[in-house]
Amino acid sequence: AQSVTQLGSHVSVSEGALVLLRCNYSSSVPPYLFWYVQYPNQGLQLLLKYTSAATLVKGINGFEAEFKKSETSFHLTKPSAHMSDAAEYFCAVSGAGNQFYFGTGTSLTVIP
Amino acid sequence: GAGVSQSPSNKVTEKGKDVELRCDPISGHTALYWYRQSLGQGLEFLIYFQGNSAPDKSGLPSDRFSAERTGGSVSTLTIQRTQQEDSAVYLCASSQGQRNEKLFFGSGTQLSVL
Repeated sequence: AQSVTQLGSHVSVSEGALVLLRCNYSSSVPPYLFWYVQYPNQGLQLLLKYTSAATLVKGINGFEAEFKKSETSFHLTKPSAHMSDAAEYFCAVSGAGNQFYFGTGTSLTVIP
Repeated sequence: GAGVSQSPSNKVTEKGKDVELRCDPISGHTALYWYRQSLGQGLEFLIYFQGNSAPDKSGLPSDRFSAERTGGSVSTLTIQRTQQEDSAVYLCASSQGQRNEKLFFGSGTQLSVL
């Protein structure tokens, strides 16, 4: 079975500060992992994905995530938050049967 | 089309009525997914179509929910005898069908059951 846990439903950071959004997964098969972002009044779009190549994955808008098998984690980071990063972020795992399982989301607020 | 299209964008209905939500996936995408997004609940998987295979209906919350996909393209999600707890945003996504491929999402249908 596959599942995703996102710690922290709401995260607030100051503009220019480090962004860290946590994601832990459970998977019975080697996982593929994704981060999606949903900006206000927009649809979900892919930020980045891990598909068993490099463990450090770089995505759009300066975000990156590191796959750590020993910790079953795939945390999302960005060195310096920008106001435009305010959005809802979803971690997802793809397991057997082409299913995609999403976390409950983390709402990021950026304080000027 | 250029992206995943969902209609209507908003639907208000009365409790007990039936509703149909439509999804037009990206042309050529073999996989189609329906999710429900409720406040604080994340994306709840409902149903998954892959090519001509039998759909995975394991996420449908009750027998009031059903979906079909005609000709391997357009999909319709039907909710019968709607209840207030059915109020949510219903999202459709499509992909090329591999588990390492990203999902392309539509803008969703906001369903409000009064």
